Amino acid sequence: GAVVSQHPSRVICKSGTSVKIECRSLDFQATTMFWYRQFPKKSLMLMATSNEGSKATYEQGVEKDKFLINHASLTLSTLTVTSAHPEDSSFYICSARDGAGHYNEQFFGPGTRLTVL
Amino acid sequence: AQSVAQPEDQVNVAEGNPLTVKCTYSVSGNPYLFWYVQYPNRGLQFLLKYITGDNLVKGSYGFEAEFNKSQTSFHLKKPSALVSDSALYFCAVSHHGSSNTGKLIFGQGTTLQVKP
Repeated sequence: GAVVSQHPSRVICKSGTSVKIECRSLDFQATTMFWYRQFPKKSLMLMATSNEGSKATYEQGVEKDKFLINHASLTLSTLTVTSAHPEDSSFYICSARDGAGHYNEQFFGPGTRLTVL
Repeated sequence: AQSVAQPEDQVNVAEGNPLTVKCTYSVSGNPYLFWYVQYPNRGLQFLLKYITGDNLVKGSYGFEAEFNKSQTSFHLKKPSALVSDSALYFCAVSHHGSSNTGKLIFGQGTTLQVKP
């Protein structure tokens, strides 16, 4: 149980294009999802908290107009990197917290490797 | 402010030897504590958590961790390391209470290298 998927697993795009990453909870309802960014051999940086049916809460320093988050259902959140640039290249990981929210445990997706040329 | 520290960037251990990956935390009130493992180009896998009760927590793949409130530590241990344990390990803390946001605060990660 508690499986989270991400799609795509890897994407390469040209500078200036937009890329959408999907995060799905497969066997539970996720009222809250989190989006992280990870640089090589570095810790996870929380970008935003996504709550179903409401606006995402962004961490300080994260541009909300560049990283658009939509949490339209209890099993799906999307992150859209708009007008991507090479500096946006990174490993993006989502996590989901189930509706019961027991002990704040999060279940993580496998990650999406974004490369912007 | 909540924080987590993993003082070692890398831990090297020989296969079959015991391993310890250190973690200390700072949080107001009672913490929820977690350990996750990450293999290359993969997401994080849950290992174990401390919520309340027995200070020694047993988790996946033979790992365990000991919650020490006086030292604000939650070190990850395993009696006998395997080469396949080589990975990046993250300690994380969450606050529970009226200001609970559900966020996890992660340490900077420790690379465990187990050599044959």
